[in-house]
Amino acid sequence: QKEVEQDPGPLSVPEGAIVSLNCTYSNSAFQYFMWYRQYSRKGPELLMYTYSSGNKEDGRFTAQVDKSSKYISLFIRDSQPSDSATYLCAMSAKGFQKLVFGTGTRLLVSP
Amino acid sequence: DTEVTQTPKHLVMGMTNKKSLKCEQHMGHRAMYWYKQKAKKPPELMFVYSYEKLSINESVPSRFSPECPNSSLLNLHLHALQPEDSALYLCASSQNRAGSQPQHFGDGTRLSIL
Repeated sequence: QKEVEQDPGPLSVPEGAIVSLNCTYSNSAFQYFMWYRQYSRKGPELLMYTYSSGNKEDGRFTAQVDKSSKYISLFIRDSQPSDSATYLCAMSAKGFQKLVFGTGTRLLVSP
Repeated sequence: DTEVTQTPKHLVMGMTNKKSLKCEQHMGHRAMYWYKQKAKKPPELMFVYSYEKLSINESVPSRFSPECPNSSLLNLHLHALQPEDSALYLCASSQNRAGSQPQHFGDGTRLSIL
């Protein structure tokens, strides 16, 4: 079993839809959670960073962490074609020097 | 534009060539990282530098040689690479190497080995 599981997609939605991207993990030590967006031929761009459980909102993006279920989510409201990219979840723990990545979910938003 | 700058953006080299990848950040971060990313895969960690000292080497072949000349610069020296080394090489930095700090990535160098 992988330490972090993420559906590779592709996930296809129409413009304006609410998108839900998810990761599950097995290591209960993880407490720092990140979402990265990666466009083709570009590096990963940090979208959201959260610590422990709870919600964090930034514009059209909301990150949720449920540590009891070992489940994290990224919601995108009013999705746009420019949101089409691969979304990578990543997580870490105190004392870890590494990020553990999910495989990434490819999102396609059609006009 | 990212705050981590990598050069060159593209590199094509033969298996006998020697080349270097460069990375620069001016965010005052004291941890820097090299990753390798193959198509449709997440980044794979290669090296971690903390306060200019090599902290982690993920059993990377010796044909890859990292160097951290100062707190803002990170190099990756390449020699006698194999075709399977063709990939996107990403540099990242974070405030320190503690897992609590998010990493910021550059746009990478796309490397092709002939």
